[in-house]
Amino acid sequence: DARVTQTPRHKVTEMGQEVTMRCQPILGHNTVFWYRQTMMQGLELLAYFRNRAPLDDSGMPKDRFSAEMPDATLATLKIQPSEPRDSAVYFCASGLVQGRGGQPQHFGDGTRLSIL
Amino acid sequence: EDKVVQSPLSLVVHEGDTVTLNCSYEVTNFRSLLWYKQEKKAPTFLFMLTSSGIEKKSGRLSSILDKKELSSILNITATQTGDSAIYLCAGVFNDYKLSFGAGTTVTVRA
Repeated sequence: DARVTQTPRHKVTEMGQEVTMRCQPILGHNTVFWYRQTMMQGLELLAYFRNRAPLDDSGMPKDRFSAEMPDATLATLKIQPSEPRDSAVYFCASGLVQGRGGQPQHFGDGTRLSIL
Repeated sequence: EDKVVQSPLSLVVHEGDTVTLNCSYEVTNFRSLLWYKQEKKAPTFLFMLTSSGIEKKSGRLSSILDKKELSSILNITATQTGDSAIYLCAGVFNDYKLSFGAGTTVTVRA
């Protein structure tokens, strides 16, 4: 069964440290999304890529967050410097979009991030 | 601004009860509506609805879209404790971005 794989599953670090989260999308999917989930805000879209090109990162705090797709099998989300308010579960999702049709997004298990 | 509203926010039922969850949306360039179930980890896909009035079914779960009313419902019949989860509704708009509702937390008591 094809799955989106995220690493690490859990990360605890101190404020000010750099955090890197990684995602391996489902093979053949051309669109990758990064979401953040908190109790207060629910699921928020941070950024997404189509065929490795960034399409929208308007949901992301630009001063400290960056998202890249160095190749088709790896997407990364970095936070530098991290702050306690960044504590959340970060999900990666991938999907296949072709022409005017699209398949549902499939989610990874998430990275639970705690910034002390 | 795109908006998806789910109701109720939470509910508690007993095993065997039927549950109806509501989702309304205001989404620009609407393409489809998705339902997900989230237990402890990742949201898992349940249904994708694109056409109004056509019911999608999977076991005890079913869902239908009403494009005129800009809404959808998710029904769960003969609920079991394993149905306890957060149910998320998402509108798909523009370039296949998802706008999620806050979710409905369903608790099924034995």
